[in-house]
Amino acid sequence: GNSVTQMEGPVTLSEEAFLTINCTYTATGYPSLFWYVQYPGEGLQLLLKATKADDKGSNKGFEATYRKETTSFHLEKGSVQVSDSAVYFCALTPYGNNRLAFGKGNQVVVIP
Amino acid sequence: NAGVTQTPKFRVLKTGQSMTLLCAQDMNHEYMYWYRQDPGMGLRLIHYSVGEGTTAKGEVPDGYNVSRLKKQNFLLGLESAAPSQTSVYFCASTEDRTSAEAFFGQGTRLTVV
Repeated sequence: GNSVTQMEGPVTLSEEAFLTINCTYTATGYPSLFWYVQYPGEGLQLLLKATKADDKGSNKGFEATYRKETTSFHLEKGSVQVSDSAVYFCALTPYGNNRLAFGKGNQVVVIP
Repeated sequence: NAGVTQTPKFRVLKTGQSMTLLCAQDMNHEYMYWYRQDPGMGLRLIHYSVGEGTTAKGEVPDGYNVSRLKKQNFLLGLESAAPSQTSVYFCASTEDRTSAEAFFGQGTRLTVV
């Protein structure tokens, strides 16, 4: 089946630090890959996406590259801000449908 | 510019009571979804719809029913609430195309006591 695995546990880091959140996936065929972000008290919103191998999605200083050889889509940001504190979800849709499968999410806390 | 709107935002139910959660979208999207979010579990798909008049089961459908009588609305029903259904429920919608962005409502926090 289709599944997404995110690294365990919350991430706490200082402002201007480098952020990496790992994401690996299992899927048949060629899924589309997404990162969604959930700010406190809100619904999820799309952060970035990639639809084929070697594509790089980017938005608001965040980047993730679709690596088919390692089935990964790791999220990175070079210098985080307090306003980046949120929960980040990696997700995929299998080829041919739009049913998102989510990872468990990672709470990111950025301290000043 | 409402997007996806869920009502109510909060609700407390007693075990055995019933209720309906309403999701409305104004983007003319074909696909709509109901998810539940639980700590450490991510979002799990309950039911979804690929168009007006259609519904299908997702990953965790037991104890829930849905209806899509109008394209813009997707209702989630709990016929006999149980404490295990305490959760935050999110509705989402997408266009009918591969890798379309999902738009989410702000969620309904449901507590069953």
